[in-house]
Parts: sequence; structure tokens; C-alpha cells
Amino acid sequence: EDQVTQSPEALRLQEGESSSLNCSYTVSGLRGLFWYRQDPGKGPEFLFTLYSAGEEKEKERLKATLTKKESFLHITAPKPEDSATYLCAVQEVNNAGNMLTFGGGTRLMVKP
Amino acid sequence: DAGVIQSPRHEVTEMGQEVTLRCKPISGHNSLFWYRQTMMRGLELLIYFNNNVPIDDSGMPEDRFSAKMPNASFSTLKIQPSEPRDSAVYFCASVAGLSNEKLFFGSGTQLSVL
Repeated sequence: EDQVTQSPEALRLQEGESSSLNCSYTVSGLRGLFWYRQDPGKGPEFLFTLYSAGEEKEKERLKATLTKKESFLHITAPKPEDSATYLCAVQEVNNAGNMLTFGGGTRLMVKP
Repeated sequence: DAGVIQSPRHEVTEMGQEVTLRCKPISGHNSLFWYRQTMMRGLELLIYFNNNVPIDDSGMPEDRFSAKMPNASFSTLKIQPSEPRDSAVYFCASVAGLSNEKLFFGSGTQLSVL
């Protein structure tokens, strides 16, 4: 069974204080690893997809990286508007279509 | 495009009542997913449709839950009878294509069963 574990569960940062969120996964074969952002009262919003170890993707202050066992979401010089819950999800090669298994999320709070 | 549209946004009901949640996927998307989100269990996949056909319903918790997709633009998730442990946020998501495509989520329905 797919396992996706995110750490820490919650993270408090000062504005400008860079950090990383972790997503470790156990799947028999990875088709893709996805990062989503979720704001309170809203559905998850897509950020990145990573397909193979060594791959990196960037968007503004966010950079996602992937190894064979885990993914990191690096946040550089965060701003208060980066406060949200960040979810990672995996898609396994044996799963039909676009089925995703989500981790529990990391709740990020950035204080001004 | 208006995105994935879910209704109602909030539903409060009493134990034993029937609850119907509704979803309109993005036009042109051929796959639709129902997820449930709770603090304890996070986001759980309930059921997945492709071209209006249920492909995987292994996440549906029990027979009290049922889902339909009568056409490409509408899906329902029904709980009958509802129980307090069904209280959660229910999300609908849609996607175009077969795999590796990003899911678009609706804003969810906050269900409270008293």
C-alpha cells in the first residue's frame, strides 16, 4: 500500500526565514509526485509535478526536488502570503488514471 | 472557465438524514474524483470516474455512500443514512487526460452531521 508521510506537521517561520518541507513516500513504482497548496476554506491548488529522481522545479519562492525516496519543497525568503497547507501526493504506475495518494500536509505559518 | 463547481458549500443535517453533494467538473475534463478531508485522515480518495464510468470505488467507506455520474457535466455523492462520523469536507476534482495531469479541485462541501 502506498505510504506518503509529510513533515513537519506544522512550521512557523519569520518572514524571510528560509526552510524546507519534507515528503517521504513508499510506492512500488512512481509515476509522478505532486505538490499542492491549500488555503483555508478552499480546495488544493496545483503547484508542481516531478517525475524522476534529480528533477527540480521552481515557481517564485518555491523549489521542489525529488529523490528516490522523498521530495523537498524549499521555501526561500517566505512572505506572509505563503502561509498555507502544503500537500504532496504520489501517483503509482499500477494505479489507474490519475489516482493520487495524499500525505497529511504541512501547515506553514509565516509571520511578518 | 468557472472551475470545478460544488454545491452546497455548507450542509448541516441530523443523523439518519439523506445528504446529496453535487459537482460540476470543468468542461472537457473526462475524469472526476470525490475526496474526503478530515483532520485525522487527511485527503482520502472515495471514488474515481473516467468517461462517466466508475473505475475505482474502493475508497467508499460503506454501503451508505453512493456516487453517480449521469453525464459528463454532473456528479453526485449521496450518503444515506448519514452519521456524525461522516462529518468532513468533501471535495470534487476533475482532470483532462489519462495520467500525469494536474487535478483541479472545487472549493468543497463542509458537511456537519449532528
